[in-house]
Amino acid sequence: QVQLVQSGAEVKKPGASVKVSCQASGYTFTTRGVAWVRQAPGQGLEWLGWISGYNGNTHYGQKFQGRVTITTDTSTGTAYMELRSLRSDDTAFYFCAREGGDHLFDHWGQGTLVTVSS
Amino acid sequence: DIQMTQSPSTLSASVGDRVTITCRATESISTWLAWYQQKPGKAPKLLIYKASSLESGVPSRFSGSGSGTEFTLTISTLQPDDSATYYCQRYNTYSPAFGQGTKVEIK
Repeated sequence: QVQLVQSGAEVKKPGASVKVSCQASGYTFTTRGVAWVRQAPGQGLEWLGWISGYNGNTHYGQKFQGRVTITTDTSTGTAYMELRSLRSDDTAFYFCAREGGDHLFDHWGQGTLVTVSS
Repeated sequence: DIQMTQSPSTLSASVGDRVTITCRATESISTWLAWYQQKPGKAPKLLIYKASSLESGVPSRFSGSGSGTEFTLTISTLQPDDSATYYCQRYNTYSPAFGQGTKVEIK
C-alpha cells in the first residue's frame, strides 16, 4: 500500500532553515509528483509547492517563492522540503502528499511539526 | 488567483441528520474540485474528486455535486465518526487552493 513517512518534529530559531523529508513506498516514485502543504495550529491548509517525481520540475506558491526549495532523491524515493529564513508564523504542521494526477492529493504523510521560537 | 470559500465555518448536527457544506470559487473551475476530511492530529483524507466521484473506500453516505463556481458536499445520514473538519480544494492547477474549512460537530 502507498505510504508516505515524514521525518520527526523540529524546533528552530528565527532566521534558521529547516529541511523535512518524506519517504514514499508502495508505488513507483517517478510516476507521481509530491506536494507540500502546511497547517498552522488551529488554522486551514496552505499549499507550499510541488515537484514532479519524473523530472524534478517544481512549482511554488507565490507566498513562498525564494524561501522554499523542494527536491527529490529518486534513488531512495524521498522528497524534501527546505524552508529558509524561518519566522514565528512558520510554526505549523508540514505535510507531504502524493499527487494522484492533476495535482489531486490522494495519499498524505503523517505530518511534521516545525516550531519556530527564540 | 482563484479563491475558495466554504460555508458554514462550523455546524452542529445530530446523528442521522442530513448535512450539506457549500464551497464557492471566485471563477469557474469546471469540476476540478475535491473534498477532504481531517480529524484532529491527523492528515487530511481524500473523500471526493472531480466534484462528485467517490474515492475508493469512502462510505456512500458522502456525496458531492456542482460545477463551475458552486459545489456541495453532502453527508446523507450523519454518523459519530463523521465529526471532523472538511476542506474543499481546487486542483488541476499549479496553484491549488483550499477552502478555509468547515468543522462538523455532533450534538
